[in-house]
Amino acid sequence: DQQVKQNSPSLSVQEGRISILNCDYTNSMFDYFLWYKKYPAEGPTFLISISSIKDKNEDGRFTVFLNKSAKHLSLHIVPSQPGDSAVYFCAASRVIQGAQKLVFGQGTRLTINP
Amino acid sequence: NAGVTQTPKFRILKIGQSMTLQCTQDMNHNYMYWYRQDPGMGLKLIYYSVGAGITDKGEVPNGYNVSRSTTEDFPLRLELAAPSQTSVYFCASSYSLRTSGRNEQFFGPGTRLTVL
Repeated sequence: DQQVKQNSPSLSVQEGRISILNCDYTNSMFDYFLWYKKYPAEGPTFLISISSIKDKNEDGRFTVFLNKSAKHLSLHIVPSQPGDSAVYFCAASRVIQGAQKLVFGQGTRLTINP
Repeated sequence: NAGVTQTPKFRILKIGQSMTLQCTQDMNHNYMYWYRQDPGMGLKLIYYSVGAGITDKGEVPNGYNVSRSTTEDFPLRLELAAPSQTSVYFCASSYSLRTSGRNEQFFGPGTRLTVL
C-alpha cells in the first residue's frame, strides 16, 4: 500500500515557464512533507519542506502548497531553469524519537527545455 | 566538510555472500538512516539510528543488520545476499529537529549493489 504517490513519471516544461509537480498521500498522521531533487549517480538533495499545520511555504523560486483536505501537495518552480532538470521526490515524514522516518513517492522526472 | 560518505560505490555479490556497506558523516548528526532505491521507485527506509548504540527498524529491514558504535559511523550489513537485494543504497544523516528546527536529511552518493 503506497502512502505517498507521484502519479506523473515525467514532466517537460519550457525554460522560463512554471513547473508544477504533484504528490498525493493517504496517511493523515504525517508531520512534515518534503521535496528532494536528485541528479543521476548522486544522492537526493533537500529542496523545501512544509509542516502539516501550514498550507504554503516559499523559498526563492520554489513554493510548496499543502491541501490537507485533499491530501495533496504540489511544488511550484518559477521560473524554470535548465539546471532544474532532475528527478523530484516527494516525501512525507513521521517524527519518532526525534528521527524523521521518511516515506517517498516514486519520483517525477522534470525536463526543462531551452 | 565531506558530509556523508559511502563506500564502496559499486559492488557485485554472489548469492549467499555477505558484505558491509560503510557510511560516515562528519556533521556530528545524531540521526542516521539507511534507504534502498529500486529502479523506478522511491527510496524505502531500511533502518535508522537516533544516536550511538540505538537503532530501530524501518519499512524494509528483513535481510539487513546495522550497528552504531560511534556518532560518525552507521554500517549496514547484508548477511546472505539475495537477488532481491539488488538496489542502490543511500545513507543519510540529520540534525535533531527539536534543537535545530531543521528537518532535512543529508544523503550520501549511494552504493550500487548487484547480487547475481
